Amino acid sequence: KAGVTQTPRYLIKTRGQQVTLSCSPISGHRSVSWYQQTPGQGLQFLFEYFSETQRNKGNFPGRFSGRQFSNSRSEMNVSTLELGDSALYLCASHDAANTEAFFGQGTRLTVV
Amino acid sequence: AQSVTQLGSHVSVSEGALVLLRCNYSSSVPPYLFWYVQYPNQGLQLLLKYTSAATLVKGINGFEAEFKKSETSFHLTKPSAHMSDAAEYFCAVTAASGGSYIPTFGRGTSLIVHP
Repeated sequence: KAGVTQTPRYLIKTRGQQVTLSCSPISGHRSVSWYQQTPGQGLQFLFEYFSETQRNKGNFPGRFSGRQFSNSRSEMNVSTLELGDSALYLCASHDAANTEAFFGQGTRLTVV
Repeated sequence: AQSVTQLGSHVSVSEGALVLLRCNYSSSVPPYLFWYVQYPNQGLQLLLKYTSAATLVKGINGFEAEFKKSETSFHLTKPSAHMSDAAEYFCAVTAASGGSYIPTFGRGTSLIVHP
């Protein structure tokens, strides 16, 4: 069974640009959540999607958005990038009957 | 609401020594508790989880943790450290909320293993 796949693994963007990250969950998992990980703030919850609907949202500005497709794949978008958005972005998928989060390898975003 | 406190941002041990990583949690409902490990530039890998069955939970790579409700603790231990155990360890708590089980993570503890 394939794990959670995140693409791309690494990205370098310039301030003011926008970026889209992709996450393919484990087959059969309908819930996908996103986290931002930085040395200063640790792991912070961004949002969760279930059946194409945002079910939970963390405390991030509106520049951070996401969506989920009918095949459960999810994307997150960050607009008007700032230097502080440099981070490892992690995606996790959850089976509704399972309390465990399965994480992808992450996307390392560097904003210059 | 739930929260996790990991005592010590860095723990240093010698190879072969006991590993003890501390985690205390706060939860308004019976929690599920997890320990994850993260290697550099990688995602999080589940070490073990407590889901209200046995209070002593055994995980992968020789790690185990004990759930102590009276102390609201879920400390991670391993009898003998190996060089390959050097990594970042995260304790997490989750509880059902509107059908979701979104974990709240501690700040992490970096385990350093000396030869």
